Amino acid sequence: AQSVSQHNHHVILSEAASLELGCNYSYGGTVNLFWYVQYPGQHLQLLLKYFSGDPLVKGIKGFEAEFIKSKFSFNLRKPSVQWSDTAEYFCAVRGRQAGTALIFGKGTTLSVSS
Amino acid sequence: GAVVSQHPSWVICKSGTSVKIECRSLDFQATTMFWYRQFPKQSLMLMATSNEGSKATYEQGVEKDKFLINHASLTLSTLTVTSAHPEDSSFYICRPVGNTEAFFGQGTRLTVV
Repeated sequence: AQSVSQHNHHVILSEAASLELGCNYSYGGTVNLFWYVQYPGQHLQLLLKYFSGDPLVKGIKGFEAEFIKSKFSFNLRKPSVQWSDTAEYFCAVRGRQAGTALIFGKGTTLSVSS
Repeated sequence: GAVVSQHPSWVICKSGTSVKIECRSLDFQATTMFWYRQFPKQSLMLMATSNEGSKATYEQGVEKDKFLINHASLTLSTLTVTSAHPEDSSFYICRPVGNTEAFFGQGTRLTVV
């Protein structure tokens, strides 16, 4: 079955702490991977995506993610979080075929205290 | 860049009434539109895929007679929640298929009282 698993439901950090959010997926075939952020009261925003090539991808706002094919993982990282990073983070996967829907993980709530 | 407009952004309706949600792709043609639903503190769940000019395909457990989808043109897809009940209260989001996964509709917060 196709699925995305995000290990952390709620992460609480202090400003300047490092962040790593886990994401594992189960999907038959070649995939494209995504991380989205949803700030309170706002719609989804794309943070970064992996299609092919360098497995370490850099996104907006200082976020990066590493695709490890052997582990079916796509963990999100940020060296130093800010209070403004407080939000909900979703990992998503889809097949390479055109028109394939995104499958989302359940999300991780990140709370950053100043 | 591609712009997606979803309307209304929020709606409160009485139980038993119907609500129509529109999703427009403003500067590109979307032959396919995905409709998602997000319950509080949960992830987005795909409800259905609409294709311009043909019937929508629904995910398992989604009632096609309750959630009517129309995709009559390449720039407009609509989701109608018929005979809404409180358990249909949720956040509904559309996403047109294009060459990027960056663009979602703003979402519609539906509250059924």
